[in-house]
Amino acid sequence: SQQGEEDPQALSIQEGENATMNCSYKTSINNLQWYRQNSGRGLVHLILIRSNEREKHSGRLRVTLDTSKKSSSLLITASRAADTASYFCATDRDSGYSTLTFGKGTMLLVSP
Amino acid sequence: GAVVSQHPSRVICKSGTSVKIECRSLDFQATTMFWYRQFPKKSLMLMATSNEGSKATYEQGVEKDKFLINHASLTLSTLTVTSAHPEDSSFYICSVEASTDTQYFGPGTRLTVL
Repeated sequence: SQQGEEDPQALSIQEGENATMNCSYKTSINNLQWYRQNSGRGLVHLILIRSNEREKHSGRLRVTLDTSKKSSSLLITASRAADTASYFCATDRDSGYSTLTFGKGTMLLVSP
Repeated sequence: GAVVSQHPSRVICKSGTSVKIECRSLDFQATTMFWYRQFPKKSLMLMATSNEGSKATYEQGVEKDKFLINHASLTLSTLTVTSAHPEDSSFYICSVEASTDTQYFGPGTRLTVL
């Protein structure tokens, strides 16, 4: 079954606003990663947060992880039209291997 | 990060033919690569783990005889979709394992089977 489940499925905001996407998962993990995908393109790694971390920042990105609730959130602050993309969370399997299980993704549309 | 290329970027073929997709790690020697498929507006689903010099490990439900994977060198893995059918039409993405925490993804290959 799908490990990561993002919500919302789609999010439409104006430039300058903040965008928050959530991800829930079912089993124990070593880390959780967020990726971005522009339409019809490959994935770009955004940020990784380990299971013993609670919050991480990278530029305009802020990721939180709550292992007790098995959930994570990605916050993009001061969004730009160029942030328009699909965002996926991915979890590893806590089995010593790096195989990833992706969530269904959130499609973000940032209007100028 | 590692630079990963895929070839071709798009391919259209007739039903019943076989299609080979290449995944190259341009600046990194990759012992392990991964193959994913993605349906429109859907998530990525891991198909198989490709290990250099050994047989690929397929995920449950993925037919190994349908999706042949060869990882003959540290920079190249190939995925061959044999006897392709319209339901095999999808976006195929490979990735390179740089560490246990890090994968670098290729740009993807759009396969359309008529």
